[in-house]
Amino acid sequence: DGGITQSPKYLFRKEGQNVTLSCEQNLNHDAMYWYRQDPGQGLRLIYYSQIVNDFQKGDIAEGYSVSREKKESFPLTVTSAQKNPTAFYLCASSIDLTGLAGQETQYFGPGTRLLVL
Amino acid sequence: GQSLEQPSEVTAVEGAIVQINCTYQTSGFYGLSWYQQHDGGAPTFLSYNALDGLEETGRFSSFLSRSDSYGYLLLQELQMKDSASYFCAVYRDDKIIFGKGTRLHILP
Repeated sequence: DGGITQSPKYLFRKEGQNVTLSCEQNLNHDAMYWYRQDPGQGLRLIYYSQIVNDFQKGDIAEGYSVSREKKESFPLTVTSAQKNPTAFYLCASSIDLTGLAGQETQYFGPGTRLLVL
Repeated sequence: GQSLEQPSEVTAVEGAIVQINCTYQTSGFYGLSWYQQHDGGAPTFLSYNALDGLEETGRFSSFLSRSDSYGYLLLQELQMKDSASYFCAVYRDDKIIFGKGTRLHILP
């Protein structure tokens, strides 16, 4: 079955620690996205990538980094510079970047909950 | 600034019809999308309005009026499984903006 997987489901971070959230898709989609969702809030775009080896900052990129070395993978690193990392992190993909415009459906992974110890 | 406004909560009865509104203070966007999210789950795409008017997909319909800066999601024949949060979203200037979501409560 095609889809998007994220791991782990729950992740705990200690002070000053960098952590990496995994996102893999086997839908052969060009575009991938990372969102952050806080309780009772909508989704805010962190980073997005249209193609391998290319990515762009979203609204709240500070304290985060990404890489896109393979089409199917788009890992997100939450760095120690992100002072309030506790949130629900969602990865998504679409056929191409028009997924941002809503013209192509965005498919979401199950999410990773990041908690700070 | 750019913002989308949705009611925080809406309550309706099973079998009834409910409308969730979305008003916005931004212009020049491509269209209005709607997503459904169940508690603890990931959002799933429901609909997209590129043009003014009504789009119908089964029990769900979505409407957009650019002149009124307004859109809505209409859910008919409500089922208990429709209890979820619903988000409107627009794309503008290389960014996507989500509303804060409307929590739909359905009473039996």
